[in-house]
Amino acid sequence: KQEVTQIPAALSVPEGENLVLNCSFTDSAIYNLQWFRQDPGKGLTSLLLIQSSQREQTSGRLNASLDKSSGRSTLYIAASQPGDSATYLCAVPQGGKLIFGQGTELSVKP
Amino acid sequence: DAMVIQNPRYQVTQFGKPVTLSCSQTLNHNVMYWYQQKSSQAPKLLFHYYDKDFNNEADTPDNFQSRRPNTSFCFLDIRSPGLGDAAMYLCATSRDEPTYEQYFGPGTRLTVT
Repeated sequence: KQEVTQIPAALSVPEGENLVLNCSFTDSAIYNLQWFRQDPGKGLTSLLLIQSSQREQTSGRLNASLDKSSGRSTLYIAASQPGDSATYLCAVPQGGKLIFGQGTELSVKP
Repeated sequence: DAMVIQNPRYQVTQFGKPVTLSCSQTLNHNVMYWYQQKSSQAPKLLFHYYDKDFNNEADTPDNFQSRRPNTSFCFLDIRSPGLGDAAMYLCATSRDEPTYEQYFGPGTRLTVT
């Protein structure tokens, strides 16, 4: 059974700092891994999807990496801004559904 | 822009009074999902449709039903809402199961009084 864990549960950083969010999964036989952003009271916005054959994906200030053998993915946010404050979730597919981590709540202080 | 739309964004219902939440998509995706998300928790899949094929999660209460009359629309019916059903309900779509990239709507916040 796939389990997805995100550490830390919450993170507070000053504006401008580079930061890394972590995601780990127990079953390395994944098809892909998806990172989402969720603002309070809102739905999920897909940020990046990494296929199992890829090592990383980039979108603007975001870079996601994937190491299947170690069961880990990281989301790197460069030059963080207060507008990046949100909860970030990672998810992997299994059995026709997404298995989510519990999320990391990020707060970027001006 | 192609998107996933949910209506209403906020719904208040009384204990035991049936309620229906709506989801529509302009992405022409085959698969539509309904998730329940409670405060500070990860989304929990209730069920999904692959085209017209309905797939219910084993632990989804019978109180929750769904309909998909066509490709674009999917409804979540809660037959007798309890206080524990207050949550955010998220609809998502994906082009095909093997792809798995899911696109989410903005959610419907359900309050049960």
